[in-house]
Amino acid sequence: DVKVTQSSRYLVKRTGEKVFLECVQDMDHENMFWYRQDPGLGLRLIYFSYDVKMKEKGDIPEGYSVSREKKERFSLILESASTNQTSMYLCASSLSVASSSYEQYFGPGTRLTVT
Amino acid sequence: AQSVTQPDIHITVSEGASLELRCNYSYGATPYLFWYVQSPGQGLQLLLKYFSGDTLVQGIKGFEAEFKRSQSSFNLRKPSVHWSDAAEYFCAAQTYNTDKLIFGTGTRLQVFP
Repeated sequence: DVKVTQSSRYLVKRTGEKVFLECVQDMDHENMFWYRQDPGLGLRLIYFSYDVKMKEKGDIPEGYSVSREKKERFSLILESASTNQTSMYLCASSLSVASSSYEQYFGPGTRLTVT
Repeated sequence: AQSVTQPDIHITVSEGASLELRCNYSYGATPYLFWYVQSPGQGLQLLLKYFSGDTLVQGIKGFEAEFKRSQSSFNLRKPSVHWSDAAEYFCAAQTYNTDKLIFGTGTRLQVFP
Protein backbone atom coordinates (compact mmCIF):
# COMPACT_ATOMS: atom_id res chain seq x y z
CA ASP A 1 0.00 0.00 0.00
CA VAL A 2 1.04 3.54 -0.68
CA LYS A 3 1.94 5.34 2.47
CA VAL A 4 2.13 9.09 2.93
CA THR A 5 3.24 10.18 6.37
CA GLN A 6 3.31 13.60 7.94
CA SER A 7 5.70 14.49 10.75
CA SER A 8 3.08 15.72 13.22
CA ARG A 9 -0.66 15.24 13.73
CA TYR A 10 -1.00 18.31 15.94
CA LEU A 11 1.23 21.35 16.21
CA VAL A 12 0.95 24.54 18.23
CA LYS A 13 3.20 27.47 17.32
CA ARG A 14 3.45 31.13 18.22
CA THR A 15 2.98 34.04 15.87
CA GLY A 16 6.20 34.88 14.07
CA GLU A 17 7.79 31.44 14.48
CA LYS A 18 9.23 29.59 11.50
CA VAL A 19 7.31 26.34 11.03
CA PHE A 20 8.31 23.23 9.12
CA LEU A 21 5.81 20.58 8.07
CA GLU A 22 7.35 17.40 6.70
CA CYS A 23 5.82 14.84 4.36
CA VAL A 24 7.28 11.54 3.22
CA GLN A 25 5.93 9.08 0.63
CA ASP A 26 7.22 5.57 0.01
CA MET A 27 5.97 4.85 -3.53
CA ASP A 28 8.50 6.67 -5.69
CA HIS A 29 5.85 9.14 -6.88
CA GLU A 30 6.91 12.04 -9.07
CA ASN A 31 4.34 14.47 -7.74
CA MET A 32 3.82 15.78 -4.23
CA PHE A 33 1.30 18.34 -3.04
CA TRP A 34 0.51 20.51 -0.05
CA TYR A 35 -3.09 21.48 0.60
CA ARG A 36 -4.78 23.56 3.21
CA GLN A 37 -8.24 22.50 4.41
CA ASP A 38 -10.64 24.96 6.05
CA PRO A 39 -14.34 24.46 6.85
CA GLY A 40 -16.57 25.52 3.98
CA LEU A 41 -13.62 26.05 1.64
CA GLY A 42 -12.66 22.46 0.85
CA LEU A 43 -9.03 21.75 -0.03
CA ARG A 44 -6.94 24.49 -1.58
CA LEU A 45 -3.60 23.82 -3.20
CA ILE A 46 -0.66 25.70 -1.70
CA TYR A 47 2.25 24.28 -3.73
CA PHE A 48 3.08 21.20 -5.65
CA SER A 49 6.27 19.62 -6.87
CA TYR A 50 6.61 17.47 -9.98
CA ASP A 51 10.25 16.50 -9.48
CA VAL A 52 13.15 16.99 -7.12
CA LYS A 53 13.93 20.70 -6.72
CA MET A 54 10.99 21.56 -8.99
CA LYS A 55 7.96 23.34 -7.65
CA GLU A 56 4.92 25.23 -8.82
CA LYS A 57 2.66 27.64 -6.98
CA GLY A 58 -0.86 26.56 -6.28
CA ASP A 59 -3.86 28.74 -5.56
CA ILE A 60 -2.77 30.16 -2.19
CA PRO A 61 1.07 30.26 -1.98
CA GLU A 62 1.37 33.55 -0.09
CA GLY A 63 3.12 33.14 3.25
CA TYR A 64 4.41 29.66 2.38
CA SER A 65 7.45 28.14 0.74
CA VAL A 66 8.42 24.54 -0.03
CA SER A 67 11.46 22.38 -0.38
CA ARG A 68 12.01 19.11 -2.18
CA GLU A 69 15.60 17.94 -1.95
CA LYS A 70 14.78 14.22 -2.21
CA LYS A 71 12.08 12.52 -4.24
CA GLU A 72 10.32 11.02 -1.24
CA ARG A 73 10.24 14.14 0.94
CA PHE A 74 8.35 17.41 0.53
CA SER A 75 8.47 20.14 3.16
CA LEU A 76 6.12 23.05 3.69
CA ILE A 77 7.61 26.09 5.40
CA LEU A 78 5.80 28.92 7.06
CA GLU A 79 8.45 31.62 7.19
CA SER A 80 6.69 33.67 9.88
CA ALA A 81 3.56 31.99 11.17
CA SER A 82 0.42 34.06 11.54
CA THR A 83 -2.91 33.29 13.19
CA ASN A 84 -4.66 33.14 9.80
CA GLN A 85 -2.49 30.14 8.98
CA THR A 86 -4.21 28.10 11.66
CA SER A 87 -5.62 25.22 9.63
CA MET A 88 -5.43 21.54 8.69
CA TYR A 89 -2.56 20.83 6.28
CA LEU A 90 -2.71 17.79 4.05
CA CYS A 91 0.10 16.33 2.00
CA ALA A 92 -0.49 14.11 -1.04
CA SER A 93 1.53 12.30 -3.65
CA SER A 94 0.82 10.80 -7.06
CA LEU A 95 2.25 9.45 -10.24
CA SER A 96 2.09 11.69 -13.29
CA VAL A 97 -1.41 12.26 -14.68
CA ALA A 98 -0.25 10.40 -17.78
CA SER A 99 -0.27 7.21 -15.75
CA SER A 100 -3.32 4.99 -16.18
CA SER A 101 -3.43 4.40 -12.45
CA TYR A 102 -3.36 8.07 -11.53
CA GLU A 103 -4.77 9.12 -8.18
CA GLN A 104 -3.58 11.26 -5.31
CA TYR A 105 -2.76 9.55 -2.02
CA PHE A 106 -3.15 11.60 1.13
CA GLY A 107 -1.41 11.71 4.46
CA PRO A 108 -3.38 11.93 7.74
CA GLY A 109 -2.98 15.69 8.02
CA THR A 110 -1.36 18.11 10.46
CA ARG A 111 -3.62 20.37 12.47
CA LEU A 112 -1.63 23.55 13.03
CA THR A 113 -2.68 26.14 15.58
CA VAL A 114 -0.89 29.50 15.62
CA THR A 115 -1.42 31.53 18.77
CA ALA B 1 -12.72 29.35 -14.64
CA GLN B 2 -12.66 25.66 -13.86
CA SER B 3 -14.66 24.73 -10.80
CA VAL B 4 -16.31 21.90 -8.90
CA THR B 5 -19.55 22.49 -7.01
CA GLN B 6 -21.07 20.41 -4.26
CA PRO B 7 -24.38 22.11 -3.58
CA ASP B 8 -25.15 20.25 -0.34
CA ILE B 9 -23.08 21.30 2.65
CA HIS B 10 -24.69 18.84 5.07
CA ILE B 11 -26.91 15.80 4.52
CA THR B 12 -28.59 13.64 7.14
CA VAL B 13 -29.92 10.17 6.38
CA SER B 14 -31.18 7.22 8.39
CA GLU B 15 -29.15 4.05 8.46
CA GLY B 16 -30.33 1.74 5.69
CA ALA B 17 -31.63 4.57 3.53
CA SER B 18 -30.29 5.32 0.08
CA LEU B 19 -27.87 8.16 -0.51
CA GLU B 20 -27.04 10.51 -3.37
CA LEU B 21 -24.40 13.23 -3.07
CA ARG B 22 -24.35 15.79 -5.86
CA CYS B 23 -21.34 17.09 -7.75
CA ASN B 24 -21.25 19.43 -10.75
CA TYR B 25 -18.20 20.57 -12.65
CA SER B 26 -17.43 23.45 -14.96
CA TYR B 27 -14.63 22.68 -17.40
CA GLY B 28 -13.98 23.33 -21.06
CA ALA B 29 -13.63 19.62 -21.76
CA THR B 30 -14.65 16.54 -19.81
CA PRO B 31 -12.26 16.27 -16.88
CA TYR B 32 -11.11 13.28 -14.91
CA LEU B 33 -13.45 12.98 -11.91
CA PHE B 34 -12.92 11.66 -8.40
CA TRP B 35 -14.78 11.12 -5.15
CA TYR B 36 -12.82 11.09 -1.89
CA VAL B 37 -14.01 10.40 1.66
CA GLN B 38 -12.54 11.85 4.83
CA SER B 39 -13.38 10.27 8.18
CA PRO B 40 -13.02 12.50 11.25
CA GLY B 41 -9.39 13.34 11.97
CA GLN B 42 -8.14 11.43 8.94
CA GLY B 43 -6.72 12.13 5.52
CA LEU B 44 -8.65 11.60 2.30
CA GLN B 45 -9.28 8.16 0.81
CA LEU B 46 -10.23 7.63 -2.82
CA LEU B 47 -13.68 6.05 -3.28
CA LEU B 48 -13.76 5.94 -7.08
CA LYS B 49 -12.64 7.71 -10.21
CA TYR B 50 -13.78 8.25 -13.79
CA PHE B 51 -11.41 8.77 -16.68
CA SER B 52 -13.43 7.55 -19.66
CA GLY B 53 -15.61 4.66 -20.82
CA ASP B 54 -18.53 3.26 -18.85
CA THR B 55 -20.35 6.16 -17.23
CA LEU B 56 -21.35 4.15 -14.17
CA VAL B 57 -18.32 3.66 -11.96
CA GLN B 58 -18.09 1.25 -9.06
CA GLY B 59 -15.95 2.09 -6.06
CA ILE B 60 -15.01 0.82 -2.65
CA LYS B 61 -17.34 0.46 0.35
CA GLY B 62 -20.37 -0.15 -1.91
CA PHE B 63 -20.35 3.30 -3.53
CA GLU B 64 -20.97 4.06 -7.18
CA ALA B 65 -21.08 7.23 -9.25
CA GLU B 66 -22.62 8.12 -12.57
CA PHE B 67 -21.07 10.54 -15.03
CA LYS B 68 -23.64 12.56 -17.00
CA ARG B 69 -22.03 14.73 -19.64
CA SER B 70 -25.28 16.56 -20.50
CA GLN B 71 -25.66 17.68 -16.89
CA SER B 72 -21.94 18.14 -16.12
CA SER B 73 -22.52 15.98 -13.09
CA PHE B 74 -20.83 13.13 -11.28
CA ASN B 75 -23.16 12.16 -8.43
CA LEU B 76 -22.18 9.63 -5.78
CA ARG B 77 -24.70 7.00 -4.70
CA LYS B 78 -25.07 4.19 -2.22
CA PRO B 79 -28.21 2.03 -2.00
CA SER B 80 -28.07 1.45 1.77
CA VAL B 81 -26.07 3.65 4.11
CA HIS B 82 -24.27 2.28 7.16
CA TRP B 83 -23.47 4.27 10.30
CA SER B 84 -19.77 3.99 9.45
CA ASP B 85 -20.36 6.03 6.27
CA ALA B 86 -20.69 9.19 8.35
CA ALA B 87 -17.85 11.36 7.05
CA GLU B 88 -17.09 14.25 4.74
CA TYR B 89 -17.16 13.59 1.02
CA PHE B 90 -15.24 15.55 -1.57
CA CYS B 91 -15.69 15.61 -5.31
CA ALA B 92 -12.64 16.59 -7.36
CA ALA B 93 -11.71 17.09 -10.99
CA GLN B 94 -8.71 17.67 -13.20
CA THR B 95 -7.93 17.79 -16.89
CA TYR B 96 -5.64 15.37 -18.72
CA ASN B 97 -2.87 17.94 -19.12
CA THR B 98 -2.37 18.90 -15.48
CA ASP B 99 -1.51 17.05 -12.30
CA LYS B 100 -3.54 19.46 -10.16
CA LEU B 101 -6.92 18.58 -8.68
CA ILE B 102 -9.70 21.07 -8.05
CA PHE B 103 -11.87 20.12 -5.10
CA GLY B 104 -15.44 20.93 -4.23
CA THR B 105 -16.15 22.34 -0.79
CA GLY B 106 -17.34 19.00 0.55
CA THR B 107 -20.57 17.45 1.85
CA ARG B 108 -20.78 16.32 5.44
CA LEU B 109 -22.87 13.17 5.85
CA GLN B 110 -24.55 12.39 9.13
CA VAL B 111 -26.18 8.97 9.64
CA PHE B 112 -28.89 8.40 12.23
CA PRO B 113 -29.56 4.90 13.62
